[in-house]
Amino acid sequence: AQSVTQLGSHVSVSEGALVLLRCNYSSSVPPYLFWYVQYPNQGLQLLLKYTTGATLVKGINGFEAEFKKSETSFHLTKPSAHMSDAAEYFCAVSDTGGFKTIFGAGTRLFVKA
Amino acid sequence: GAGVSQSPSNKVTEKGKDVELRCDPISGHTALYWYRQSLGQGLEFLIYFQGNSAPDKSGLPSDRFSAERTGGSVSTLTIQRTQQEDSAVYLCASSPRQGVSVKQYFGPGTRLTVT
Repeated sequence: AQSVTQLGSHVSVSEGALVLLRCNYSSSVPPYLFWYVQYPNQGLQLLLKYTTGATLVKGINGFEAEFKKSETSFHLTKPSAHMSDAAEYFCAVSDTGGFKTIFGAGTRLFVKA
Repeated sequence: GAGVSQSPSNKVTEKGKDVELRCDPISGHTALYWYRQSLGQGLEFLIYFQGNSAPDKSGLPSDRFSAERTGGSVSTLTIQRTQQEDSAVYLCASSPRQGVSVKQYFGPGTRLTVT
């Protein structure tokens, strides 16, 4: 069985500060890992994904995430927060054999001016 | 209580045929989303319904795709003249209201295979 835990339902950072959103997963098979962002009144958008290969994955809007198998983590980072980054962020895991995706509960990012 | 349901769970169709996929959201949920997921890919947003407002169709990949939501509840996603690249799992989600911090509840998906 697979599961995803996002640490912190709310994270607040100042504009220009580092963004760190934490995600830990459990999976009995090699996972595919994803980060999604949801802006108000919109559907989920894919930020980045890890399937195989390089463990540091770069996504859109300056975000990146590192797959650390030993820590079963896939934390999302951005060096400098922008006001437009304020949104809800979801971490997700799926198995490589099927299509089922398990989502974390989400982390709301607030960016202070 | 009952979650989001989708039917059929699996659909195999021939290239060029039309298909209809159904989504029954959780009762009382005003927002409904359609996504699709290809193997190894992330969710791809297709369309979003919120109450009686005009739907956000910005994610529909072509004019072969359309969706409607009747009575603010059940939704049907229609794909006309299916192509092999339409093969994917189509996921429906609903949420109680609009807004960024409202959890989406996902259905089990419909796996579409176009031969």
